[in-house]
Amino acid sequence: NAGVMQNPRHLVRRRGQEARLRCSPMKGHSHVYWYRQLPEEGLKFMVYLQKENIIDESGMPKERFSAEFPKEGPSILRIQQVVRGDSAAYFCASSLSGDSSGANVLTFGAGSRLTVL
Amino acid sequence: GDSVTQMEGPVTLSEEAFLTINCTYTATGYPSLFWYVQYPGEGLQLLLKATKADDKGSNKGFEATYRKETTSFHLEKGSVQVSDSAVYFCALSDRTRGRRALTFGSGTRLQVQP
Repeated sequence: NAGVMQNPRHLVRRRGQEARLRCSPMKGHSHVYWYRQLPEEGLKFMVYLQKENIIDESGMPKERFSAEFPKEGPSILRIQQVVRGDSAAYFCASSLSGDSSGANVLTFGAGSRLTVL
Repeated sequence: GDSVTQMEGPVTLSEEAFLTINCTYTATGYPSLFWYVQYPGEGLQLLLKATKADDKGSNKGFEATYRKETTSFHLEKGSVQVSDSAVYFCALSDRTRGRRALTFGSGTRLQVQP
């Protein structure tokens, strides 16, 4: 079991370009969460998705950010027209069910580090 | 809304010292509480958890007790090792409010010196 796979691990973009971050959940997991970690800060929730559905996007910036989790393939976090403030580590996590109590543990990927020049 | 407050780091200790990292939370429901650890360049790993008041989570020598009366979940270890150097995150999940994602504290960096 390869765990949660994220790619790319490192991504450099110039201001105004687009960034696409991919996340393949653990085998059998159908719930995906995206978090953002700014330098020297904790993780901030962005979005929670199930296959083909966005369940909770209360942490997503209103503009330029979007996420999807298609029926086939990885979950994608897309950032359009990146700015320097988007530079951060973006972590994906997956779980077996949507109940985030003690019985349901989030498994995190190693993260994608975006640098905007 | 839900929130988690952790002591600021970095915490610097010598090997075999006693560790305490404080964590307090605010939640209107009945949250589950977690400690996650992040080693350099890696993602977060679950260290331990507790799902109800007075539960004690433990793993790899680390312990934390869910204290509802003080809304706390302090992390402790009796004798730290250099390999424990990492960032530790306290987190909560409050399913009774329909929130299905974890709320994290800002993290506490632990540096253990030989």
